[in-house]
Amino acid sequence: DAKTTQPNSMESNEEEPVHLPCNHSTISGTDYIHWYRQLPSQGPEYVIHGLTSNVNNRMASLAIAEDRKSSTLILHRATLRDAAVYYCILREGGGDKLIFGTGTRLQVFP
Amino acid sequence: DSGVTQTPKHLITATGQRVTLRCSPRSGDLSVYWYQQSLDQGLQFLIQYYNGEERAKGNILERFSAQQFPDLHSELNLSSLELGDSALYFCASSVGPTGEQYFGPGTRLTVT
Repeated sequence: DAKTTQPNSMESNEEEPVHLPCNHSTISGTDYIHWYRQLPSQGPEYVIHGLTSNVNNRMASLAIAEDRKSSTLILHRATLRDAAVYYCILREGGGDKLIFGTGTRLQVFP
Repeated sequence: DSGVTQTPKHLITATGQRVTLRCSPRSGDLSVYWYQQSLDQGLQFLIQYYNGEERAKGNILERFSAQQFPDLHSELNLSSLELGDSALYFCASSVGPTGEQYFGPGTRLTVT
């Protein structure tokens, strides 16, 4: 399974945008980029995924580099509730299991 | 609320014992996954079932087994428990074998 690299931790102030980076230099053509997050004392939660084009949903935006070797999860206005560990995961097209790394712990300050 | 339910929420047992964790997937989801989260290993995939059949296996110990029943609920059986098996066990479900996964609240297992 291809690997991802994320910063261990990041900080943000409430209502500011947050850009969470992820490097995946060994990504293959059929790998989808998935983001999940885990709030304190809860199970992981799906955030967004994409293949080549940038994606938007009600939770976040996903910006994918043209060479697909990196991506950025964008939270447009961080809230205290967004404090969580964010996992960037490469999932083979048609793949099933999720291989979690160590993720980025996001702290949001009022 | 993801729609995935897990019971029990907490379980405390002794070494050498056997326990069963239960998972009910979201209505309509055919695929069930089991993950283990411990402080030293992080979140690890254990096993996946799709419509009653085993589909993928991860780092699941031989002392652990799982099954998915005709009503699509799943059970994870852990036997000959060791202190190192203490962890959070999450169940997730998805519509098909490869869709977005929805996680339950987890079962916290403590082995003493």
